[in-house]
Amino acid sequence: DTAVSQTPKYLVTQMGNDKSIKCEQNLGHDTMYWYKQDSKKFLKIMFSYNNKELIINETVPNRFSPKSPDKAHLNLHINSLELGDSAVYFCASSPSGTSGSSTGELFFGEGSRLTVL
Amino acid sequence: GIQVEQSPPDLILQEGANSTLRCNFSDSVNNLQWFHQNPWGQLINLFYIPSGTKQNGRLSATTVATERYSLLYISSSQTTDSGVYFCAAVSTGGFKTIFGAGTRLFVKA
Repeated sequence: DTAVSQTPKYLVTQMGNDKSIKCEQNLGHDTMYWYKQDSKKFLKIMFSYNNKELIINETVPNRFSPKSPDKAHLNLHINSLELGDSAVYFCASSPSGTSGSSTGELFFGEGSRLTVL
Repeated sequence: GIQVEQSPPDLILQEGANSTLRCNFSDSVNNLQWFHQNPWGQLINLFYIPSGTKQNGRLSATTVATERYSLLYISSSQTTDSGVYFCAAVSTGGFKTIFGAGTRLFVKA
């Protein structure tokens, strides 16, 4: 039973299109994230939700809009796709951290590879 | 924000060799993790180790929080150890898990 699952795993689309990636976790965690991994393998945080509330919103174009309908789900919608959006997008979740930190151990989904042509 | 630096950036080993990967971080941390990204792109949790030492089979890790570094030891390396090893940290009181640039490991048969 997959702990953090993302769909779709692969997405090939044309510039200018709109696409969504869905994520679900069955670990009972409070916090979920979107990370972007570029072609050089660098992992950068994009967004984080804690109990459906947005707590991290990095400098990301507003074409990217996350939505969390409940604490087990976090979706990412991307409008007007550009070539530079091609990357692997990882969803992750974590429990609330111990005192002094808001995050516990992070667990990742398998990633969604987006290719914009 | 916290900076996470990993070394070496690339490492080539002969099967059976041992290695040490290093992670330096610029701030005190409440959360330090090591991940392995395999050639299929999966991010696999290796250790959650804000401080102290842990071992899991051929892998072990040590974090010296007061000196702001963590080490990952791989003993008797195997070809299946190939991939990218990431260190990731959350600064004390912080919300974000920040990743280092990774160490790319290739183990030759």
